[in-house]
Amino acid sequence: AQTVTQSQPEMSVQEAETVTLSCTYDTSESDYYLFWYKQPPSRQMILVIRQEAYKQQNATENRFSVNFQKAAKSFSLKISDSQLGDAAMYFCAYRRAQTSGSRLTFGEGTQLTVNP
Amino acid sequence: DGGITQSPKYLFRKEGQNVTLSCEQNLNHDAMYWYRQDPGQGLRLIYYSQIVNDFQKGDIAEGYSVSREKKESFPLTVTSAQKNPTAFYLCASSTRQGGDTGELFFGEGSRLTVL
Repeated sequence: AQTVTQSQPEMSVQEAETVTLSCTYDTSESDYYLFWYKQPPSRQMILVIRQEAYKQQNATENRFSVNFQKAAKSFSLKISDSQLGDAAMYFCAYRRAQTSGSRLTFGEGTQLTVNP
Repeated sequence: DGGITQSPKYLFRKEGQNVTLSCEQNLNHDAMYWYRQDPGQGLRLIYYSQIVNDFQKGDIAEGYSVSREKKESFPLTVTSAQKNPTAFYLCASSTRQGGDTGELFFGEGSRLTVL
């Protein structure tokens, strides 16, 4: 079974600084998706960024970027120029690609605090 | 606007009662999911359905039941057999069609409290 591990239950960063959230996963599949979701206090799950395993290039979305290391099964999220609105719980997630409609497996989350 | 609607947002239940959480989507997605979230924890999969009239158990299906009679709807019943039902419940959907980005789209959640 696939597992996703986030080893940092809590992180904090100063406004305008950069922070990196860690994620590792375990799978025997070669084709899959990886995601970072954000859950603010409203508890709405918001997609931050996604990565397709067959793509070597790291995904980037504005201030958010990932460091995808397929061999090491590592998928970290870097947030640049942190803003107060970035404060939230961040979840790393994995999904197989071969089967559409397959399940999404989540890590336990990292609570990010942004200090003014 | 297309999206996923969960209701009710807050629900209180007495022990021994069954309750049903509603999830409706107008995204024309084939697959739908129910996740449970406990405080400070990640999301755990309860049930999922890839197509109408078919569904599979997730990791924590005991004490829950679902139905998928319509593509748009995937209600979750929390039965009295669920020993610790107080939690936040999230419904999600995804497409099985070409162009699947892998992403799950989520509703706003339902908070169930057992009194």
